[in-house]
Amino acid sequence: DSGVTQTPKHLITATGQRVTLRCSPRSGDLSVYWYQQSLDQGLQFLIQYYNGEERAKGNILERFSAQQFPDLHSELNLSSLELGDSALYFCASSVGIAGAYEQYFGPGTRLTVT
Amino acid sequence: TQLLEQSPQFLSIQEGENLTVYCNSSSVFSSLQWYRQEPGEGPVLLVTVVTGGEVKKLKRLTFQFGDARKDSSLHITAAQPGDTGLYLCAGGRIKAAGNKLTFGGGTRVLVKP
Repeated sequence: DSGVTQTPKHLITATGQRVTLRCSPRSGDLSVYWYQQSLDQGLQFLIQYYNGEERAKGNILERFSAQQFPDLHSELNLSSLELGDSALYFCASSVGIAGAYEQYFGPGTRLTVT
Repeated sequence: TQLLEQSPQFLSIQEGENLTVYCNSSSVFSSLQWYRQEPGEGPVLLVTVVTGGEVKKLKRLTFQFGDARKDSSLHITAAQPGDTGLYLCAGGRIKAAGNKLTFGGGTRVLVKP
């Protein structure tokens, strides 16, 4: 158990809908990262927050947004969903924002868009 | 084009055999992490290496960071079925704006009993 929690575990929704994925980092970690992993593909970095502020952005679509709240939990919002958005979405956390800080991953949310 | 190239992409071996997974880049990283991921679960951090030439051992797993900090390898001795999984390397760079790990495409390892 990494200490990172994600809800829900599974999510099935229809095209055009909007969903929210939730992540709670490990106790004491200030950075939260979101990744997308499609079938047979590696982890694609989406976005990073540190102590409530956006710090780094990857290949995140404009239909996707995220935020980190004062209690440090984070939410990833996916809207106007398309079939191609079906994937595993992982949240990770780390202590700091730079250097050799390891990232600890949650169990993921499997999103299926039908 | 992957910034971090892992090879091979897939490896199937018998229990008791040895295996090596490679992670290569043309870029220098300040740190290199190795993760193992099982189906439907999140990646689990195995090790972090930060010094060029560094070698770390974790039971039957040996990790090495290249002298120039551009490549790394993972060697498993006497593999067991429990070693089956997707092995991911990830390179980190010190950046004032944030710490974005760059992941390789992964090596899927199957150890058959």
